[in-house]
Amino acid sequence: QKEVEQDPGPLSVPEGAIVSLNCTYSNSAFQYFMWYRQYSRKGPELLMYTYSSGNKEDGRFTAQVDKSSKYISLFIRDSQPSDSATYLCAMWGNTGNQFYFGTGTSLTVIP
Amino acid sequence: KAGVTQTPRYLIKTRGQQVTLSCSPISGHRSVSWYQQTPGQGLQFLFEYFSETQRNKGNFPGRFSGRQFSNSRSEMNVSTLELGDSALYLCASSSGGSNSPLHFGNGTRLTVT
Repeated sequence: QKEVEQDPGPLSVPEGAIVSLNCTYSNSAFQYFMWYRQYSRKGPELLMYTYSSGNKEDGRFTAQVDKSSKYISLFIRDSQPSDSATYLCAMWGNTGNQFYFGTGTSLTVIP
Repeated sequence: KAGVTQTPRYLIKTRGQQVTLSCSPISGHRSVSWYQQTPGQGLQFLFEYFSETQRNKGNFPGRFSGRQFSNSRSEMNVSTLELGDSALYLCASSSGGSNSPLHFGNGTRLTVT
């Protein structure tokens, strides 16, 4: 079983829709959770960085962590065509002292 | 502040050759990590360097090696290239704490023929 599971999609939504992206994980030692956005032919760009359970909001983006269910989400409100990219979740715990990444969800926002 | 810079952006090599990739971290960042990204496997951790010392290593064969210089710049070397080494190689820097978020460069696209 992989440490982090992420539905690869692809996900296609109309402009203005609310997008929900999700990851599940198996290691209860994970404490720090991140979301990255990766455009084609670019490196991943850090979007959100959270610690422990709860919500964190930044503009149109909300990151949600539910440690009891080992489940994290990224919500994008009022989605724009410029949000079209691959979204990667990542986690860190002091098991192995490394980051573990999901395989990414491809999102297309249609104008 | 300048971001993470990786050179070259693209490389084409032949099986059996070796290759060296270069990474300049964000100014002030002392940790540099390397990842291999492929469509099927996603991001796979290669190794991390901090203050010129390898601090952590992933599950890659010894053909993959790296080093970090006193100015925090890092290089990654792959010897005896195989077709399966074709991938996007990403370098990421962080301020140094083990859980400090990673900031990635745009990668080096390596194609082995």
